Amino acid sequence: QLQLRESGPGLLKPSETLSVTCDVSGGSIGSSSYHWVWIRQSPGKGLEWIGSIYYTGTTDYNPSLKSRVTISVDRSKDQLSLRLNSVTAADTGIYFCARQQYRNSGLDPWGQGTLVTVSS
Amino acid sequence: DIQMTQSPSSLSASVGDRVTITCRASQTISTYLHWYQQKPGKAPNLLISGASTLQSGVPSRFSGSGSGTDFTLTINGLQPDDFATYYCQQTYSFPQTFGQGTKVDIK
Repeated sequence: QLQLRESGPGLLKPSETLSVTCDVSGGSIGSSSYHWVWIRQSPGKGLEWIGSIYYTGTTDYNPSLKSRVTISVDRSKDQLSLRLNSVTAADTGIYFCARQQYRNSGLDPWGQGTLVTVSS
Repeated sequence: DIQMTQSPSSLSASVGDRVTITCRASQTISTYLHWYQQKPGKAPNLLISGASTLQSGVPSRFSGSGSGTDFTLTINGLQPDDFATYYCQQTYSFPQTFGQGTKVDIK
């Protein structure tokens, strides 16, 4: 059974770079034609789609974050990564990774999420 | 961006009640609409995909309907395990947006 597990820094200062990883187990991140997605959840903005990466490496990003975000995959580690530059308090939230079978499919499964707080 | 509007934002119901949650898209999204259940401290869990397809393991008291811009999630015979927050999501176009959620609590 596929399982996803996020890891993150916990606490960041404004202007720093957020780096979160998602370890995939029970399957290989590059072996099938799936999309891998990052979503975040904050009290102020609810659930927000950050972006996705196809197993070929093609990415799509939320235009509201596109200038600051990078999503990548390390196939050797079965690991998905998210980098978000120049963070502010508005980037505080729980960051989730999830799998999407097709571009238009629902997201399943999700990782348990990792809380990132941005504060000086 | 496509805006997803859920109603109501919250509701109180009793065990055994029939509960209906609606989700409206700001433009047509065909049936690229999915429903999730989220419990406190947990990730969302996919209940229904493609507007009406029940995911494996999800009780049959859950059902979904709709197409275009208007969608409905129905719970027939609310159970104690169903008290949670429900979200809709459109995957018709990027960015793939979510509704603001509907919290179902105990009356």
